[in-house]
Amino acid sequence: GQQVMQIPQYQHVQEGEDFTTYCNSSTTLSNIQWYKQRPGGHPVFLIQLVKSGEVKKQKRLTFQFGEAKKNSSLHITATQTTDVGTYFCAGCRSTSGTYKYIFGTGTRLKVLA
Amino acid sequence: EPEVTQTPSHQVTQMGQEVILRCVPISNHLYFYWYRQILGQKVEFLVSFYNNEISEKSEIFDDQFSVERPDGSNFTLKIRSTKLEDSAMYFCANIGSGNTIYFGEGSWLTVV
Repeated sequence: GQQVMQIPQYQHVQEGEDFTTYCNSSTTLSNIQWYKQRPGGHPVFLIQLVKSGEVKKQKRLTFQFGEAKKNSSLHITATQTTDVGTYFCAGCRSTSGTYKYIFGTGTRLKVLA
Repeated sequence: EPEVTQTPSHQVTQMGQEVILRCVPISNHLYFYWYRQILGQKVEFLVSFYNNEISEKSEIFDDQFSVERPDGSNFTLKIRSTKLEDSAMYFCANIGSGNTIYFGEGSWLTVV
C-alpha cells in the first residue's frame, strides 16, 4: 500500500538554527499537506501544495513540492522555541472523486533556548 | 475557525467492552475521516466516509470497527470487543472546500 516516510525522525536544534524535514511518498500524489502537532494536541493544518515544483512561504517556513509530486520538504529558518512540535506531511491520493490522506511518520522538533 | 467536536475527550474501558466515540463535524463538510494515533507514533488512517457510506478503509479497520452517521449530523466510531492495543488517540476529521483537513481535539481511549 501507499507509504509516506519522513526524515529525520527527531531533530534537536539550538534556537536560531535552521531546520528541514523531508517527506517521501511511494506513489505520486494529487497534493500534499503539512501539519504541526504540539505535544498533547491535535494536528493543525499549515499548508497545501498542489502543483509540481511548487514552493510556498509562510514567514519563516518554506514548503516545496517535488517535480515528480512524490516528495516534499519543510524548511524553517531561524527556529524559535514556539516551533517545537511534530511536523507531519500528509500525502493525498485522489481516486474516483474521493480523497485519502496518508500521514508521514513525522519529524519531532525540539528547539533548545 | 470552524471546529470539529469530539466526545468523550478521554475514556477508560475494560478489555472486551464496546466503545462509541462521537464526532460533531463542521456543517456542510462532505468528507469525514477517522484517524488513530498511538502514543508517540504517526497519525494512521482508519476510514473515510462520504455521502453516508464508507468510501475507503485501511487494513486496521477490520470487523471490530464500524462507523455510522445515525442522525445525519453526528458521526460515530464504534469499537467492539476492545483490545489493549486499541489504546490510542482517535481523531475525527472533516474536509470541506479547499481540501483542508480539520481535526477534532481527539478522544483518548485507554483499554485496561
